[in-house]
Amino acid sequence: GENVEQHPSTLSVQEGDSAVIKCTYSDSASNYFPWYKQELGKGPQLIIDIRSNVGEKKDQRIAVTLNKTAKHFSLHITETQPEDSAVYFCAAPLDQKVTFGTGTKLQVIP
Amino acid sequence: EAQVTQNPRYLITVTGKKLTVTCSQNMNHEYMSWYRQDPGLGLRQIYYSMNVEVTDKGDVPEGYKVSRKEKRNFPLILESPSPNQTSLYFCASRDSLSSYNSPLHFGNGTRLTVT
Repeated sequence: GENVEQHPSTLSVQEGDSAVIKCTYSDSASNYFPWYKQELGKGPQLIIDIRSNVGEKKDQRIAVTLNKTAKHFSLHITETQPEDSAVYFCAAPLDQKVTFGTGTKLQVIP
Repeated sequence: EAQVTQNPRYLITVTGKKLTVTCSQNMNHEYMSWYRQDPGLGLRQIYYSMNVEVTDKGDVPEGYKVSRKEKRNFPLILESPSPNQTSLYFCASRDSLSSYNSPLHFGNGTRLTVT
């Protein structure tokens, strides 16, 4: 089955700085890579995703990059704001199963 | 509003007392699934369902049952809960017409404590 590793587990940045979270996966058949944001007391929500036919996707301050050769994908948040503070999960669905990373708690310090 | 609704949000029970956590979605999604979230372990898939009367095990199915009698509902059943099932549970759904390359929609979670 798929194995997903996510780093770092916690990340503190000053407001306005950038944050980068990285995930690696094991199964080269995976071809869809979503990122979810979980705010306190809520379920995870999709913030951005990427399919294997592209190497980068951007949505305002959020971007995801994918390196299929190295089997890793990363979330980039620029100009961080306090409302970006949350837990972020990467995932690598394969067939009907979904394997998540262990999560990154991001704290943006005002 | 498109949503996944779980009930209850909080549940405290004792070992061995059967319980059911309900999940309902109003998006006409075919695929539904259950996850548990534990510190340091992320989200782990318990069971999933591709459609009515079609269910299959995820990575951590032991001690859980599910049923899918209607498209919108996917209850999680703990026949004899044990303390190691104390966790935060999430139900999710997605449109399976585009295979598994579509995002999951999550409920707001059920925090279960088994004493």
